Amino acid sequence: EPEVTQTPSHQVTQMGQEVILRCVPISNHLYFYWYRQILGQKVEFLVSFYNNEISEKSEIFDDQFSVERPDGSNFTLKIRSTKLEDSAMYFCASSTDSLSPLHFGNGTRLTVT
Amino acid sequence: KNQVEQSPQSLIILEGKNCTLQCNYTVSPFSNLRWYKQDTGRGPVSLTIMTFSENTKSNGRYTATLDADTKQSSLHITASQLSDSASYICVVNRAGGSYIPTFGRGTSLIVHP
Repeated sequence: EPEVTQTPSHQVTQMGQEVILRCVPISNHLYFYWYRQILGQKVEFLVSFYNNEISEKSEIFDDQFSVERPDGSNFTLKIRSTKLEDSAMYFCASSTDSLSPLHFGNGTRLTVT
Repeated sequence: KNQVEQSPQSLIILEGKNCTLQCNYTVSPFSNLRWYKQDTGRGPVSLTIMTFSENTKSNGRYTATLDADTKQSSLHITASQLSDSASYICVVNRAGGSYIPTFGRGTSLIVHP
């Protein structure tokens, strides 16, 4: 069964550094998402992406965050200047349409020191 | 404010026993409700979807119910197995406008042999 893949599985970075989290969504899906889950807390929506542009974003998704779909397969989340509070599990998800179930990747654990 | 509340926060049961997880929501207008299973260190996986007109739906040993009048849903797990140990997350989507889903905090289920 096709799945969403995320790399790396774990990223450690120093505060103030830029990080890029990578995702390969399921190939025939059209909607792409980033979520994050701080340890012990609930999953939080960051951004949705459709037709090569952001369709919705949350308050968390400020100017430090950006997303790109640089080619036909990859979907990336960039954090320009990481803060300690950015430490979390970041999940990429994709779906066939905006109301279909989300297919999540297994996440990238980001640790900011 | 759109909220999803789940109970209990955590639950420990013996293998083979049944259990029921609860989800109350205030999301309005209501579109659909999904239950996801999240294994430790993995992304959530969709179990069921409930729309406004559906009262109950089964997926193997999982049975979800929905009472749209009282804005409550439950997930019943029959004959629990060790592999059912996971966090079960209730996610509610609004109708129209924003497609950002509202996540509950999840119920952590531990099945002991």
